[in-house]
Amino acid sequence: DVKVTQSSRYLVKRTGEKVFLECVQDMDHENMFWYRQDPGLGLRLIYFSYDVKMKEKGDIPEGYSVSREKKERFSLILESASTNQTSMYLCRGGYTFGSGTRLTVV
Amino acid sequence: LAKTTQPISMDSYEGQEVNITCSHNNIATNDYITWYQQFPSQGPRFIIQGYKTKVTNEVASLFIPADRKSSTLSLPRVSLSDTAVYYCLVGIYNQGGKLIFGQGTELSVKP
Repeated sequence: DVKVTQSSRYLVKRTGEKVFLECVQDMDHENMFWYRQDPGLGLRLIYFSYDVKMKEKGDIPEGYSVSREKKERFSLILESASTNQTSMYLCRGGYTFGSGTRLTVV
Repeated sequence: LAKTTQPISMDSYEGQEVNITCSHNNIATNDYITWYQQFPSQGPRFIIQGYKTKVTNEVASLFIPADRKSSTLSLPRVSLSDTAVYYCLVGIYNQGGKLIFGQGTELSVKP
């Protein structure tokens, strides 16, 4: 079975901290995506990448950046975490999603 | 990207067949239709994908009419464990491509 692994299931960070969310896929897919999911707002696309070192903005990139140095790894970075970034973060590789990281910013 | 419209919620009983219809009037020639299932606090799970006519796998069937402006996900004989949110998406077939999720259909299966 193909696998997308997100490094943390639950994370609590303080306002202003730099936060790294890691995602690793074992399928050799070019395409990787980061979404956030909030009640009433559904899944919203933050950033995506079609290849190593390539990145494109999704619908809500403000406050986020990404890194794709290796094909299998796609990192989402919150440069200075804020409380409105408390959410469930979901990574997708190809057609497969990870289990999600529930981030709470206090 | 093509916008999709599907019912917000549906109710069913165990053992029934459930059909969820999605409309995508401005689907492009290169677009495929993909359905996902999501349980609470989990990532969405790929169910089925098709381009035209009918596709069937061990989980569901997908019916797509000739004009491709709509599609119907059919779940045979649902059980309580099929209670979930179902998302219909259209996008270019390219290892998933840039898929934009809509509101989804919240299916509730009752005993």
